[in-house]
Amino acid sequence: GAGVSQSPSNKVTEKGKDVELRCDPISGHTALYWYRQSLGQGLEFLIYFQGNSAPDKSGLPSDRFSAERTGGSVSTLTIQRTQQEDSAVYLCASSLAGGSTDTQYFGPGTRLTVL
Amino acid sequence: GNSVTQMEGPVTLSEEAFLTINCTYTATGYPSLFWYVQYPGEGLQLLLKATKADDKGSNKGFEATYRKETTSFHLEKGSVQVSDSAVYFCALSDQSGANNLFFGTGTRLTVIP
Repeated sequence: GAGVSQSPSNKVTEKGKDVELRCDPISGHTALYWYRQSLGQGLEFLIYFQGNSAPDKSGLPSDRFSAERTGGSVSTLTIQRTQQEDSAVYLCASSLAGGSTDTQYFGPGTRLTVL
Repeated sequence: GNSVTQMEGPVTLSEEAFLTINCTYTATGYPSLFWYVQYPGEGLQLLLKATKADDKGSNKGFEATYRKETTSFHLEKGSVQVSDSAVYFCALSDQSGANNLFFGTGTRLTVIP
């Protein structure tokens, strides 16, 4: 079946603009994660959705970052008033049930460049 | 807290050489351990995993054993191929909160013919 998909694959924006990144998880997976991969920070967790529960936002770096997940499926990560340090590859992953032993399946990522 | 420390790269090996990439971890609970691989131009994909102490994960000739006594999960392969050239990430998932992955910094492996 289809894997995790993300769009756009690349996004170039100007400092101060808002951006929206989209993630389509694997069908049937209840858990969805956003991570960020940057040169300075490596791979870091941002936010986690599990079913209809309130998301775990403990990894979000600032209040400019937010995310939602509609209907337990598609998720959108929004970055407001982008800064140059937001430049990174944003990765989405999904897993069947969100357990610690579950495999997380990653999408191809969205490369964000803030000029 | 949770953290993963893995061998700094880059690593360059000749084809058919033996590979070891060291990984050690710190965790507050009983983590599951993973190796993910990122081939050039591709996304992260699971290579292997182990969910409890003394488990051995294996895939595509790669192996790693979950060693609780040394808090390690070293990746090994007996004979590498050019197609194994990639970046390898060690990661853990602890039984708390979001069960998110904590990643090491990645090790770039280049295999030359």
